[in-house]
Amino acid sequence: SAVISQKPSRDICQRGTSLTIQCQVDSQVTMMFWYRQQPGQSLTLIATANQGSEATYESGFVIDKFPISRPNLTFSTLTVSNMSPEDSSIYLCSARQGGSGTQYFGPGTRLTVL
Amino acid sequence: AQKVTQAQTEISVVEKEDVTLDCVYETRDTTYYLFWYKQPPSGELVFLIRRNSFDEQNEISGRYSWNFQKSTSSFNFTITASQVVDSAVYFCALSEAYNQGGKLIFGQGTELSVKP
Repeated sequence: SAVISQKPSRDICQRGTSLTIQCQVDSQVTMMFWYRQQPGQSLTLIATANQGSEATYESGFVIDKFPISRPNLTFSTLTVSNMSPEDSSIYLCSARQGGSGTQYFGPGTRLTVL
Repeated sequence: AQKVTQAQTEISVVEKEDVTLDCVYETRDTTYYLFWYKQPPSGELVFLIRRNSFDEQNEISGRYSWNFQKSTSSFNFTITASQVVDSAVYFCALSEAYNQGGKLIFGQGTELSVKP
């Protein structure tokens, strides 16, 4: 299974600022994804991070608010831009290795926006 | 549209009781995958099992067992002789075929509380 790390593990930010979350996988993976989990809620997919091209965003999420990079097969970043208290959530990175199909998740980044 | 329903929001049991977490899914795909994940209070998402749509064999792993029934579109999870360490939120998820992206659709989760 892939081992995934995220930085930072948590942060408290001020309204109107931006935060970039890093996701590192210990091996090359085919697909990487970013999810949001609002307090007491389930996980919702933000976007699929595509290596070498623009991310594919789900309905309700836009690139200007959640720019994503994936420069190689083991690393991705998610930026939460112009934050508001409604962005307070856990942000999780996940990765899938080739045809095995299982998505493994990072430990998450707990974001609080004041 | 694809959908996963976990009707049980919260379950509370006493240690050593057996407990079943229900999961019902909807999909038009003939090829799909079902998952269970555990999210303990620390927040990380722990993979428990993956089952593909062509494999209806039930699976047992220690105290955990899973019952997959395509006829009722259900993928239920049973913990036998529950322990306090089983306390967590459990998510059932559905994945579309991988050549269509393979993103996960999660149920709302069931919060299991096991009391000593």
